[in-house]
Parts: sequence; C-alpha cells; structure tokens
Amino acid sequence: AQRVTQPEKLLSVFKGAPVELKCNYSYSGSPELFWYVQYSRQRLQLLLRHISRESIKGFTADLNKGETSFHLKKPFAQEEDSAMYYCALTYGNKLVFGAGTILRVKS
Amino acid sequence: NAGVMQNPRHLVRRRGQEARLRCSPMKGHSHVYWYRQLPEEGLKFMVYLQKENIIDESGMPKERFSAEFPKEGPSILRIQQVVRGDSAAYFCASSPLQGNGYTFGSGTRLTVV
Repeated sequence: AQRVTQPEKLLSVFKGAPVELKCNYSYSGSPELFWYVQYSRQRLQLLLRHISRESIKGFTADLNKGETSFHLKKPFAQEEDSAMYYCALTYGNKLVFGAGTILRVKS
Repeated sequence: NAGVMQNPRHLVRRRGQEARLRCSPMKGHSHVYWYRQLPEEGLKFMVYLQKENIIDESGMPKERFSAEFPKEGPSILRIQQVVRGDSAAYFCASSPLQGNGYTFGSGTRLTVV
C-alpha cells in the first residue's frame, strides 16, 4: 500500500542549526513526492516537489530510491521556518500525506 | 485571483445537526479535492470531483457524508447527523489538471459539541 511515514512529530532546533525532516515512503512504481508547509493554521503551501529539484527558502530535498526517502534539509534554520511540514506523494488522483512534523526553531 | 476559498472558516454544530462546508476553486480549475485533518494526524483524502461528477470517493465514510460540485457554484461537502468524531479541519484543494498543480484552501474547522 502507498504510505508516507514521518517518524518525528516534533523537531526542535536552535536558530542557525541544521534541519533535517525525515520522510520515508512505500510506493510500487516511480513516485512523485512533495513537501508542503502549513504556517500557524494557515493553508497548506507547496514547498518543494522532487521533479523540479529546486531550492525554496533554503530548503532542499533529494529523492533516494534505494532508501525510499525524501528528507527535507536546510543548513541554517530561521525562526520563521517554524511550521508544520507534510511530506506527500501522488497516487492516482490523490495526495497521500504523512502525519506531519512540527518544526520549532528557538532563538 | 483569490485562490481557493473555503467557508465558513469555523463551524460549530451540535450532535445530530447537519454541516455544510463550501469550497470555491481557483478560477480555471475544474478539479476539486476534499481532505480531512484529524487531530494529531495528517491529511486524509476524502473525495475527488470534477464539475457535476464524483470521480473518486474512496476516502468518504459510507454513511452521512456526501459531496457535490454543481455546474454553477461551489463544491459542497455535507455531513448529516454530525457526531463528535467528525470534529476536524476539512481542507479543499483545486487543480487545473487531474492530480496536478494542487492549491489548497485555508480549511474549515468543524467542532461538534
């Protein structure tokens, strides 16, 4: 079955520290993977998609098919990065989401 | 372009009442998706609609829940005889193409008392 696992409910780091939000997936085929961000109960916004291989707000994510992972990374966390982050994959008509990880960046 | 508009933002219903959640997709988007976010859980797919058609309702509970996307007007997610377990945030997304280019609304937070 298609599944997205985000093992950490909460990740707390200090400002300026590196960040890695973990995401593992199970999918039979070639997945299309995304990271979405939700700031303080606002709407979900697309942060990254693996196809575009771009960097947004300093975040990057690399698809590792061997490890079935799509971890989100940023070298230096900023306070405004505090939010809920969701990893998701496309399956047919729908997005399958992980449970989300709350990132708290402390000053 | 106002984006995906959902209303109301907050909805309180007593057990047994009906809840109607509205979603107006982005201009030019004819595909609408509804997701439910339960406390401590991620978003779960409920239903995918195109104008006047339900394409995939595999995530909809079998009873009390229904969705429509009429030719004119917003998409409606309707929950009859609400129970406490229906309390959640309901998000709508729209896209110009099937399964691609999703834009999410701000959600409706339903509280059943």
